[in-house]
Amino acid sequence: QVQLVQSGAEVKKPGASVKVSCKASGYTFTSYYMHWVRQAPGQGLEWMGIINPSGGSTTYAQKFQGRVTMTRDTSTSTVYMELSSLRSEDTAVYYCARDSSPWLQLPGYYLDYWGQGTLVTASS
Amino acid sequence: DIVMTQSPDSLAVSLGERATINCKSSQNVLYTSDNKNYLAWYQQKPGQPPKLLLYWASTREPGVPDRFSGSGSGTDFTLTISSLQAEDVAVYYCQQYYSTLRTFGQGTKLEIK
Repeated sequence: QVQLVQSGAEVKKPGASVKVSCKASGYTFTSYYMHWVRQAPGQGLEWMGIINPSGGSTTYAQKFQGRVTMTRDTSTSTVYMELSSLRSEDTAVYYCARDSSPWLQLPGYYLDYWGQGTLVTASS
Repeated sequence: DIVMTQSPDSLAVSLGERATINCKSSQNVLYTSDNKNYLAWYQQKPGQPPKLLLYWASTREPGVPDRFSGSGSGTDFTLTISSLQAEDVAVYYCQQYYSTLRTFGQGTKLEIK
């Protein structure tokens, strides 16, 4: 069965960086795009970007351009999301989510499997 | 970016009654090449990740009860719960996947009246 298991909660000081991991299993890792979505406390869902696990290409939401980097390690079927220059407004739960399209052609499809979420707290 | 706007922001419905949530996109999300609406609905309960309910605007994900249905095309969409159950209390989000730059609606909080 498809599983996305994320790394544990993080507490960082403003200005620091955080790197969250998402380990995939139960399917061919390099055949499906992966997305990152975040949710601030009590707020809605915010799409951050997408990575092609096969070639490593990425597309980011404009809001995060220059601050976010998504990478992958095909040997461990893991994707990573690193967010730099953290500010208090970045405090949120960060989710990885698999794109359901098996074709690796953008724009892709809907998000069918989600990780459990990783709480990142940016606080002094 | 495509802006997704849901209405209402919150909704209280009696058990067994119908609940209707609307979603409007700022541009068409119907691909003429395959005649599909690139619109999904998700349900999120407190402390849980979102769960896929419907895709292609009206196709239920396997395991989703048939009291959940979706309709609409182009820019206007509706999620309907035909007979509200206690376990349906949640926040519901629409999302377009017409564009690589995905966007979600702001969410609709559904409660029991």
